[in-house]
Amino acid sequence: AQKITQTQPGMFVQEKEAVTLDCTYDTSDPSYGLFWYKQPSSGEMIFLIYQGSYDQQNATEGRYSLNFQKARKSANLVISASQLGDSAMYFCAMREGGSSASKIIFGSGTRLSIRP
Amino acid sequence: DTGVSQDPRHKITKRGQNVTFRCDPISEHNRLYWYRQTLGQGPEFLTYFQNEAQLEKSRLLSDRFSAERPKGSFSTLEIQRTEQGDSAMYLCASSSQRGLDSNQPQHFGDGTRLSIL
Repeated sequence: AQKITQTQPGMFVQEKEAVTLDCTYDTSDPSYGLFWYKQPSSGEMIFLIYQGSYDQQNATEGRYSLNFQKARKSANLVISASQLGDSAMYFCAMREGGSSASKIIFGSGTRLSIRP
Repeated sequence: DTGVSQDPRHKITKRGQNVTFRCDPISEHNRLYWYRQTLGQGPEFLTYFQNEAQLEKSRLLSDRFSAERPKGSFSTLEIQRTEQGDSAMYLCASSSQRGLDSNQPQHFGDGTRLSIL
């Protein structure tokens, strides 16, 4: 079974609109962390936002927020007021376990294209 | 903080040759990871080090692959007898380990793109 599922291979959004990128995950471990990364066409992976499984509040970082719905195992990324520079691949990722776990499992990504 | 540095950025080689990639992590990070990414996919975990100890290896890491981090700083990933299926982007990442906080983000380098002719 897929550990991380991103069901939107591609999305087109008008500049300045908000956009939600979907991510669902599968784990039986009570301790885990969820990450979103951005990968522009140049190839580098840029860390955007992190949500811990025990965090009570949804994470926010500037224009990025994570809509964490634990019971639904959902961790959608919301980008407010999209900009042309937001066009990129976006990967949802998860790390399971406590302090001894370090492997991150990535989803297949969503390609976001912002229209001017 | 100069970020994670990988060298070379691109490598083109003939099938059957050996290749070696280098990764320099962020200086205060004690954990270092290698991933492989093929076109249209997310990165796949290969192996990781805490200091100089290699603590986990994916089954994706065949006998032709070897990774080292001899002094707990930079790391090398070697692929012997390269095959066409080895063509991919090889990404290195590093993170710090602070106490019991296991969820520090991994910071990635720009990757080494390997093309096998």
